[in-house]
Amino acid sequence: QQQVRQSPQSLTVWEGETAILNCSYENSAFDYFPWYQQFPGEGPALLIAIRSVSDKKEDGRFTIFFNKREKKLSLHITDSQPGDSATYFCAASADSGGSNYKLTFGKGTLLTVTP
Amino acid sequence: NAGVIQTPRHKVTGKGQEATLWCEPISGHSAVFWYRQTIVQGLEFLTYFRNQAPIDDSGMPKERFSAQMPNQSHSTLKIQSTQPQDSAVYLCASSYWGGSYEQYFGPGTRLTVL
Repeated sequence: QQQVRQSPQSLTVWEGETAILNCSYENSAFDYFPWYQQFPGEGPALLIAIRSVSDKKEDGRFTIFFNKREKKLSLHITDSQPGDSATYFCAASADSGGSNYKLTFGKGTLLTVTP
Repeated sequence: NAGVIQTPRHKVTGKGQEATLWCEPISGHSAVFWYRQTIVQGLEFLTYFRNQAPIDDSGMPKERFSAQMPNQSHSTLKIQSTQPQDSAVYLCASSYWGGSYEQYFGPGTRLTVL
């Protein structure tokens, strides 16, 4: 059972365009949603994260939009640059009394930004 | 701050051999997580320590896998009698405990079992 789903599997955009990466989840207990960026041969790097009490989180060119009712979120990357080409993972965790922060990951979206 | 350090970066073992993977968390971080990454399964949680105590090992295979955190500066993941299906990138992450959720990953150890 895939608790966190991402779409599309791969996405190609032109430099300067906005890339939109989608994520959905099943577990209503999830309340923390980080996005990670991973380049080949490296570990995932934390990009931006949102708590379920918010519906939007912005950091520079990266914005998360969160819809708790529909259990969906999306990552928008504006003014995409070739250096943004990477795999992006949506993850989720549930705060069960502060004792468990393990992350559940989606399968990732491979983003390619073409100059 | 050096970030999470994982050694070795690459390890090749023969089927049936033992593999020990090392992780040094970010200084001051009291939570350490181990994950495994494969093409087919993606990123999977294995186990988690807080203040060196094992908290959740629900993702660990029941046989051959074990993890320890003997002190606050390092954790080990040991795989006995390695099998080809154990081939994966093993990732360690650390987190500050005390209301912060952010987990920071190391570069991973790529384990190849021949």
